[in-house]
Order: sequence, then structure tokens, then C-alpha cells
Amino acid sequence: EAEVAQSPRYKITEKSQAVAFWCDPISGHATLYWYRQILGQGPELLVQFQDESVVDDSQLPKDRFSAERLKGVDSTLKIQPAELGDSAMYLCASSSFYYPPHNEQFFGPGTRLTVL
Amino acid sequence: AQKVTQAQTEISVVEKEDVTLDCVYETRDTTYYLFWYKQPPSGELVFLIRRNSFDEQNEISGRYSWNFQKSTSSFNFTITASQVVDSAVYFCALSEPALKYSGGGADGLTFGKGTHLIIQP
Repeated sequence: EAEVAQSPRYKITEKSQAVAFWCDPISGHATLYWYRQILGQGPELLVQFQDESVVDDSQLPKDRFSAERLKGVDSTLKIQPAELGDSAMYLCASSSFYYPPHNEQFFGPGTRLTVL
Repeated sequence: AQKVTQAQTEISVVEKEDVTLDCVYETRDTTYYLFWYKQPPSGELVFLIRRNSFDEQNEISGRYSWNFQKSTSSFNFTITASQVVDSAVYFCALSEPALKYSGGGADGLTFGKGTHLIIQP
């Protein structure tokens, strides 16, 4: 069964360092989402791509976070510099309008970030 | 703006009891989708169900059932004869059809804060 892949699964870094997370969506899924889940809360959307274009980054802290999906397939989310408050689970999801189940979001296993 | 409220932060029941998780949503759109996800301790989000706003029929899947009521903007989830393996955090979520770009698709999900369900043996 096709899955969303994410790496690394765990990342420990010191504040002020740069970190990057990678996501490979299910093949054929044009829509890709990055969410952040702080411990004890629900996931929050950070950025949404349609193919290679950003269609919603209203909740992305753009002073330190950036996201790209250059060829419209896999995606990278970067934080520079990392802050203590960035410790969270970063989840990637993908969906397809054209293929069933239409618009259902499939989530990857997440990257758990700890900033020391 | 969209909002999902899960007022129950934590629920603890004894195995075999029935339990209902509440979800209340707010949206200005007439077309929207509602979801329930399960998040076990391992952390992955497991999809349970999706309903669209035009389908108010209740649904049953094994021990799980969902009650969608547009009149009260609620989408409650009931587990019948609960089991220890049902212990997890459960999230209700809402999304709307994407209007920002062509090609259809759906906006990102707006999640509630989750309900931590503890099933005691």
C-alpha cells in the first residue's frame, strides 16, 4: 500500500541551528501539506502546496521557516534558526483530487523535533 | 473562519463500557468535510472516517459509530464495548473545498485539540 514517507523520524538539535525535514508524498498526489503538532494539541497547518506552488502559507512563521516543492513531488521544510518553541512533531500529508478517495489526506509517520 | 471544539480533554472508562467523544464545529461554508482521526502512542495519525456536509446519514463500522447533526453543528463519535486497544488520542477535523486555486482539492484540515481516551482493563 502506498504511503507518505518522511525523514528523519527523530531530530535533536540545539537552538540557533538549522534543521530540515523531508517528505515524499504518495505517487500522483498533487496536494501536499505540512502540519506542526505541539505536544498535547491538534496538528496545525503550516503550508499547503498544489504541485510546486504554495497555495496557503498563512500560518508559516516566514522569518525562520521555509518550504519548497521544486519539482512538484517531494518537499523540504526548513527551520533556521531553530528555537526552543519549535519542539514538536512535524507531519506531512498528501491528497489527490483526481484519484479516489478524493481529497482524503494521508499522513506520514512524522518527524519529532527536539530543540535543546 | 473554521473552528473545531473538542470539549472533553480526557475520558477514562472501564473496558466494555460505551463512550462518546464530542465534536462541535464552526464554518461559514455550506460545503465542507468532517473527519475523525486516531493517534495512538506511536504518533501516527490513523484515518477513521470522512463525511461531507450533504450526507447526514449516521454511519456504523463495527464498534464505531458516528452521529452527524448539522442543526447542532456536531459530529460525535461513539465506541461501543470499548477495548484497551482503543486507548489513544482522537481528533475531529474540518476542511473546506479549496477555492484559492483551480483543480479542485481541499484546504488543509482544521483540527480540534483532541480527546485522550483511556480504556482501563
